Amino acid sequence: GIQVEQSPPDLILQEGANSTLRCNFSDSVNNLQWFHQNPWGQLINLFYIPSGTKQNGRLSATTVATERYSLLYISSSQTTDSGVYFCAVVPSGYSTLTFGKGTMLLVSP
Amino acid sequence: DTAVSQTPKYLVTQMGNDKSIKCEQNLGHDTMYWYKQDSKKFLKIMFSYNNKELIINETVPNRFSPKSPDKAHLNLHINSLELGDSAVYFCASSQDRVNTQYFGPGTRLTVL
Repeated sequence: GIQVEQSPPDLILQEGANSTLRCNFSDSVNNLQWFHQNPWGQLINLFYIPSGTKQNGRLSATTVATERYSLLYISSSQTTDSGVYFCAVVPSGYSTLTFGKGTMLLVSP
Repeated sequence: DTAVSQTPKYLVTQMGNDKSIKCEQNLGHDTMYWYKQDSKKFLKIMFSYNNKELIINETVPNRFSPKSPDKAHLNLHINSLELGDSAVYFCASSQDRVNTQYFGPGTRLTVL
């Protein structure tokens, strides 16, 4: 099956810093989503981004489908950004999400 | 006006018991899913339903039986619960098989 690799696995930032999270996938995809799982366990949709670039406030994402990777940018990080960030893809010809192992982010004041 | 809701949020039970988790979506979506998140936070698909019909059943023990009474509901029944079933179970829905999937709040199941 498709492999989804996220890096780094863990990240510690000072409040106000910027960061880039990466997601590599091993095959073509129809869907790519970024999620934030907050400390209460809730999975929050950040982006649906099978290709191209999107921005939402301090967060933006870029997917280069031909090169099989996606990047999530977090600017001016806040303590509320802490949690686990998951990349998940639907491989071409399939219908369910395959998740990466996540990047655990801790933003300290 | 929660989009995808699950009940209960927490479920603590003894080994060997049978339990159900309910999921409802009010987004008018055709496709619903169950995912399991283990203790290492790894998320994996269990089942997928489209218009009340099972379309995906990953390698899940047959003690797990999903039931979809209508397009808006997908319930998960688990027989003879085992310690290894302890996890967080997430329900999700999407308009079709490739569009954005929206997740419920999760049900944390603890088997003692």
